[in-house]
Amino acid sequence: NAGVTQTPKFQVLKTGQSMTLQCAQDMNHEYMSWYRQDPGMGLRLIHYSVGAGITDQGEVPNGYNVSRSTTEDFPLRLLSAAPSQTSVYFCASRLAGGAGNEQFFGPGTRLTVL
Amino acid sequence: AQKITQTQPGMFVQEKEAVTLDCTYDTSDQSYGLFWYKQPSSGEMIFLIYQGSYDEQNATEGRYSLNFQKARKSANLVISASQLGDSAMYFCAMRETKGGGSNYKLTFGKGTLLTVNP
Repeated sequence: NAGVTQTPKFQVLKTGQSMTLQCAQDMNHEYMSWYRQDPGMGLRLIHYSVGAGITDQGEVPNGYNVSRSTTEDFPLRLLSAAPSQTSVYFCASRLAGGAGNEQFFGPGTRLTVL
Repeated sequence: AQKITQTQPGMFVQEKEAVTLDCTYDTSDQSYGLFWYKQPSSGEMIFLIYQGSYDEQNATEGRYSLNFQKARKSANLVISASQLGDSAMYFCAMRETKGGGSNYKLTFGKGTLLTVNP
């Protein structure tokens, strides 16, 4: 199993550009989510999905879109990049169920918006 | 109000000594889970240990143990016999199990940067 994979690892955008961060998992996990990590802030939830075709907003959804057409993939779209979106982005997945199921994280994408 | 509080921005420990990283949490749920993750300088998030709110015994995983004090709402991570490779950022996180959507996310603290000195 590859686990949770993310592409690209690094990306530089100019303000106003759009792009899609890719996330895939091969563990047949129902739940997938996107977090951003900023210095001194821990990880904050952007969007999440409980299954194909079902998505919802997290704490900081503005400026981001998601879709979940398959169990495996959960792309994150930046509609019009802003410097405030400079961050490290993590995709995560886990099995549905109780509180104890471990959440697996991808390696992260470091995004810089100029 | 913060749901997860890590009051130690940075900690130092001598190699081979034990260290405790503090974590307090806030929830009104009876059923919840507490996690610790390690993030080395390479950036990946590594799961360390899990404690369920109904677990009667403190969780242990090798050199990691979780000192769970439910009445005090604390879930401190204890690392025994520190190694140089333990130098990293450590995050405490909580998953609640009820209340619209809260089962689907982890709420993270801001982290503690641990430095192990030789």
